[in-house]
Amino acid sequence: RKEVEQDPGPFNVPEGATVAFNCTYSNSASQSFFWYRQDCRKEPKLLMSVYSSGNEDGRFTAQLNRASQYISLLIRDSKLSDSATYLCVVNSPTGFQKLVFGTGTRLLVSP
Amino acid sequence: EAQVTQNPRYLITVTGKKLTVTCSQNMNHEYMSWYRQDPGLGLRQIYYSMNVEVTDKGDVPEGYKVSRKEKRNFPLILESPSPNQTSLYFCASSLGLRYTFREQFFGPGTRLTVL
Repeated sequence: RKEVEQDPGPFNVPEGATVAFNCTYSNSASQSFFWYRQDCRKEPKLLMSVYSSGNEDGRFTAQLNRASQYISLLIRDSKLSDSATYLCVVNSPTGFQKLVFGTGTRLLVSP
Repeated sequence: EAQVTQNPRYLITVTGKKLTVTCSQNMNHEYMSWYRQDPGLGLRQIYYSMNVEVTDKGDVPEGYKVSRKEKRNFPLILESPSPNQTSLYFCASSLGLRYTFREQFFGPGTRLTVL
């Protein structure tokens, strides 16, 4: 089983739609969770950290479910500029500062 | 501007010809890391460094070497490149021990093709 698993997509949505991605992780001892965004062939950039109580940043909401070992990302009012690949990232407790990256979920927002 | 730089950005080479990809950061970060990204496999860590002269293997270190003689630089060395090292490479840096699991800043990537 992969340490971090994501649905690769693509998710095709119209502008203004709400879309949600899930990600599951295998190590119950993981304590740090992130969503990164990666545009085509460019470097990943931090979108948001994910906190236990859930957190929101504008149109983006991240949730953590420790019991089921998954995290989610909700994007409201999708914009064309949201088209990208979203990477789920979880720390691996077996190594210092080791982050494990999911393979990403691709989002395509169309006019 | 705070950034991580990598050079070259694109490189086509032949099997067995030694090459070095440079990485430099200007944020005084203690931690630096190299990843490779391949379709369907995501980002995989090659080597990382917690500080000057401290380096360790990641998940896929075979065929690579690194050094950390200065805090800002973390070059990736391929002594004898092979076609299976054709990939997109990213260098990343972040704050160190006191700031565990904080944001990693990535360089723009180096696209390497080994013929």
